[in-house]
Amino acid sequence: QITLKESGPTLVKPTQTLTLTCTFSGFSLSTSGVGVGWIRQPPGKALEWLALIYWDDDKRYSPSLKSRLTITKDTSKNQVVLTMTNMDPVDTATYYCAHTPSDCSGGSCYSDYFDYWGQGTLVTVSS
Amino acid sequence: SYELTQPPSVSVSPGQTARITCSGDALPKQYAYWYQQKPGQAPVLVIYKDSERPSGIPERFSGSSSGTTVTLTISGVQAEDEADYYCQSADSSGTYGVFGGGTKLTVL
Repeated sequence: QITLKESGPTLVKPTQTLTLTCTFSGFSLSTSGVGVGWIRQPPGKALEWLALIYWDDDKRYSPSLKSRLTITKDTSKNQVVLTMTNMDPVDTATYYCAHTPSDCSGGSCYSDYFDYWGQGTLVTVSS
Repeated sequence: SYELTQPPSVSVSPGQTARITCSGDALPKQYAYWYQQKPGQAPVLVIYKDSERPSGIPERFSGSSSGTTVTLTISGVQAEDEADYYCQSADSSGTYGVFGGGTKLTVL
C-alpha cells in the first residue's frame, strides 16, 4: 500500500532555510504520470498548495511562493525534498506531502490531485 | 493569483442533504477535487475529476459541475460527516494548484 511520511525540523528561526523530506513507499516516482506534492496548513487555517514534482522532473510551484521554494526528487531513495528559504513566523504550519496518481484517461498522464497523504509535520518558526 | 471561493460554513440536520459549493473562473476548464478533513487528521480525497468517487468513499458523497461552480453533495448526512471540506483545482493553464478556503460542515 502507498504510504508517505514527512520529516524535518520542528523548529526553525526566522530567515533560516527549511528543508523537509518526504519518504514514501508503495509506488515509484519513475512511473509515468506519478507525482508527489507538498501542501501546508497554518494552525486553524486552510490548506495551501505549495509545489508538485512529476515522474519526468516537471515541477510546479505556487506563484506566491515560487521564489522561495525548490522541490527535488531522489527516485533511488524514494524521497522528495522541499526547501523553503527565508522562513518567517507566518510560515508556521503543518506541512504535508501527498501522492499524485497517474491518470492517462484524458490522453495526458498528468493529474493534479492527491489520493494519499502523509500524516504531516508541524514546523514552528520562532526565534 | 487564482482563487477558489467556498462558503465558510454549512449546517444540516442528520439525514438531510448538504451541498457545499466552490467557485472559480477556471473551473469550466479544470477538474475539481474535494477533500474531507477531520480535526487532527490529514485530508482524505472524497471526489476527484468533478464527480468520481474513490473506492471506499460512501455513495452518499457525490460531485457535480456547472459553469464556474462545482458542488459537493452529501446525501443523508451522518454525524460522522462533520468535518472541514476543501475543494482543489488548478489555474486555467494547469500550471499550479489551488485550494479553496474550506467549508466547515456542522451536523446539528
